[in-house]
Amino acid sequence: GENVEQHPSTLSVQEGDSAVIKCTYSDSASNYFPWYKQELGKGPQLIIDIRSNVGEKKDQRIAVTLNKTAKHFSLHITETQPEDSAVYFCAASKAGRRALTFGSGTRLQVQP
Amino acid sequence: GAGVSQSPRYKVAKRGQDVALRCDPISGHVSLFWYQQALGQGPEFLTYFQNEAQLDKSGLPSDRFFAERPEGSVSTLKIQRTQQEDSAVYLCASSLGGQLNTEAFFGQGTRLTVV
Repeated sequence: GENVEQHPSTLSVQEGDSAVIKCTYSDSASNYFPWYKQELGKGPQLIIDIRSNVGEKKDQRIAVTLNKTAKHFSLHITETQPEDSAVYFCAASKAGRRALTFGSGTRLQVQP
Repeated sequence: GAGVSQSPRYKVAKRGQDVALRCDPISGHVSLFWYQQALGQGPEFLTYFQNEAQLDKSGLPSDRFFAERPEGSVSTLKIQRTQQEDSAVYLCASSLGGQLNTEAFFGQGTRLTVV
């Protein structure tokens, strides 16, 4: 089955700096890659997603890049703010199987 | 409310007790998922419904776990004879589409503690 590895497990940045979280996946058939933000006591919330026919997608301060050859994808957050502090999860799924396989999460701390 | 609603928010069960967890998906959403999230880990897939049909239950850890969605809306996850390793947050998610992968909206989860 699919295996998604995520790193780093923790990341501390100063407010205004950029943050980058990286994930690799094992199943070359995977074609959908969402990123979720989870705050304490809440369920995961989708922040951005990308499909395998696109190499990069941007939404304001958040961008995701996908390298299908290397089977890795990354989340980029620019101009970080304290409210960006949370746990971020990458995930992958493939056509014909709706289940998401999640990474182990990255705890992002933005220092004011 | 417009979001996915789960109840109860917290459940404490004695080992061996049966529990039932409820999920109210967003109205009109065809797909419904259950995930299990252990402390400090990412969610792990349990099962998936498209309307009332359970199309994938490959993630259910044992035959003590059972899920249903009889009318294609509300879903219940039942765990029989709970064990300590069942302690986790159980997340429900729904999405509008039935075929293509589309945005999945998660509920706040039910935290189950087995003592």
